[in-house]
Amino acid sequence: AQSVSQHNHHVILSEAASLELGCNYSYGGTVNLFWYVQYPGQHLQLLLKYFSGDPLVKGIKGFEAEFIKSKFSFNLRKPSVQWSDTAEYFCAVNALGNTPLVFGKGTRLSVIA
Amino acid sequence: NAGVTQTPKFRVLKTGQSMTLLCAQDMNHEYMYWYRQDPGMGLRLIHYSVGEGTTAKGEVPDGYNVSRLKKQNFLLGLESAAPSQTSVYFCASSSLLGGPTTTGELFFGEGSRLTVL
Repeated sequence: AQSVSQHNHHVILSEAASLELGCNYSYGGTVNLFWYVQYPGQHLQLLLKYFSGDPLVKGIKGFEAEFIKSKFSFNLRKPSVQWSDTAEYFCAVNALGNTPLVFGKGTRLSVIA
Repeated sequence: NAGVTQTPKFRVLKTGQSMTLLCAQDMNHEYMYWYRQDPGMGLRLIHYSVGEGTTAKGEVPDGYNVSRLKKQNFLLGLESAAPSQTSVYFCASSSLLGGPTTTGELFFGEGSRLTVL
């Protein structure tokens, strides 16, 4: 069965600091990879996704993620965070074929002024 | 566009009561899902459906039932609510998985907060 591990439960950063959130998955085949964001009190929204091509994927609001197949990783990055990035971030994976998305447990990001 | 709509958004139940959460999507998606979100546990799949008239169990199906009588609707039922079912429930939908142009991206509803006393 697929599983997703997010290494950080809670990350606290100052505004303008750089961000990297780790995500590793366990599945040996071809996968689609996603990062979702959940702002306080809201539903999950897609931040970015990878399904083929360039392993460096750019998403909304200045976020990017890099797929490293050899490491089974899909880490999320942002060069300079803002207070409005305070949210919970979820990594998710599904294998090609008829499999639902499997989510990690999430990483809560708090950005302080 | 409405996207994915869940009703009700809030509900308080007593132990043993029953209720149904309704999810409706207007994107003509084949796949629909029910997840629950609990602190520190992320999102866990309860049940899902790959098309009208079909349902399948997810990671945490016990205590829940679902029905997909119409393509656009996916109902989640609790026959006898328990305090352990206090959670936020999210419905989601996606287009067909596995095709060359589909990625299984999920579109989520706003969530339904259920408290069981």
